[in-house]
Amino acid sequence: EVQLVESGGGLVQPGGSLRLSCAASGFTFSSYWMTWVRQAPGKGLEWVANIKQDGSGQYYVDSLKGRFTISRDNAKNSLYLQMNSLRAEDTAVYFCARGDSGYCEGAYWGQGTLVTVSS
Amino acid sequence: QTVVTQEPSLTVSPGGTVTLTCASSTGAVTSGYYPNWFQQKPGQAPRALIYRTSNKHSWTPARFSGSLLGDKAALTLSGVQPEDEAEYYCLLHYAGAWVFGGGTKLTVL
Repeated sequence: EVQLVESGGGLVQPGGSLRLSCAASGFTFSSYWMTWVRQAPGKGLEWVANIKQDGSGQYYVDSLKGRFTISRDNAKNSLYLQMNSLRAEDTAVYFCARGDSGYCEGAYWGQGTLVTVSS
Repeated sequence: QTVVTQEPSLTVSPGGTVTLTCASSTGAVTSGYYPNWFQQKPGQAPRALIYRTSNKHSWTPARFSGSLLGDKAALTLSGVQPEDEAEYYCLLHYAGAWVFGGGTKLTVL
């Protein structure tokens, strides 16, 4: 069974940093693109970034380039999102998701972790 | 900045048929945008329904179908059930990155 479990969320002050993790199990992690998606309270989904199977390629939403970095450790079956210079508008539930072959984005999802940026 | 547009809300009667659409600010949506569709209910993670325009996941009910309709991507629900009441999101591919639509709140009434 595919399982994705996010962690690392919490309360952080504006300008601070946070690193989210996503622990994957039930599949061969190194075989799939992985993605981060976020959802601000009461708002829609926002695609954040994805990363290639071996970590050699990443794509980001333009608005977050330079502040957020996606990475992965295939030996640990883990996906990460480093978030710097956080702002109030980054407050959201952050989901990790696993793709599938053939431009199938987000076939499987974790339950998300809440990040709150506030003083 | 690319914008993907969906109907904000739609209402359908149980047993009826409804089509949700997904438009791109860059022009006509083609198969090269690899449209994906997701369902989300309150307090839950999204659930994937359709990928690459019209392909269903193993768990996708048969009453859901994806297509291209004119210059948009479309999700059609035929024989709507009360449990289909949810928010629906499309997702389009743009040269490596992806963009979600704003979502359609589907009410079954």
